[in-house]
Amino acid sequence: DQQVKQNSPSLSVQEGRISILNCDYTNSMFDYFLWYKKYPAEGPTFLISISSIKDKNEDGRFTVFLNKSAKHLSLHIVPSQPGDSAVYFCAARNTGNQFYFGTGTSLTVIP
Amino acid sequence: EAGVVQSPRYKIIEKKQPVAFWCNPISGHNTLYWYLQNLGQGPELLIRYENEEAVDDSQLPKDRFSAERLKGVDSTLKIQPAELGDSAVYLCASSPRAGGRGDTQYFGPGTRLTVL
Repeated sequence: DQQVKQNSPSLSVQEGRISILNCDYTNSMFDYFLWYKKYPAEGPTFLISISSIKDKNEDGRFTVFLNKSAKHLSLHIVPSQPGDSAVYFCAARNTGNQFYFGTGTSLTVIP
Repeated sequence: EAGVVQSPRYKIIEKKQPVAFWCNPISGHNTLYWYLQNLGQGPELLIRYENEEAVDDSQLPKDRFSAERLKGVDSTLKIQPAELGDSAVYLCASSPRAGGRGDTQYFGPGTRLTVL
């Protein structure tokens, strides 16, 4: 049973435009959410996180939005750059400190 | 600061053979994770250590998988015997504090296992 879902396997965006990556979850006990970025042949790298008590967290070009009532979070990248091309994983943590990952969205930023 | 180190990076074995993966976490990190990542999927937790204690091994297939973290530093994950379905990337991650709920996990590059 997939508790964290990323329904878009891939996304293509023009350089300079906004990239929006989406993630849905089913477990209301998740209290912390993270986004990881992964390049080929490397492990995931932490990008940004948000606590369940917040609805927005911003770090430079990256902003994560959390809608608890909809059990939905999104990652906005603006402006998108070719170096942002990677696979992005959404992850959620429950109160037992267990992490669950989505299946990833492959982002391609077209120069 | 050195990141999480894993070896080997790639391993090809025949089914029914044993295999072992090694992980050296970031210096000073008390929590260590082993994840399994199948193609097109996200990482799935196999086992989590806080220092040398396995605090969550509920997803570890104990009939063929074993892990240890002696002295609370390096860790080894073993599969014996390997099956075709074990072909995947095995990721190790670490985070600074035992039970640190706000801590970020730092991942190693993974070991890609192919079972023929």
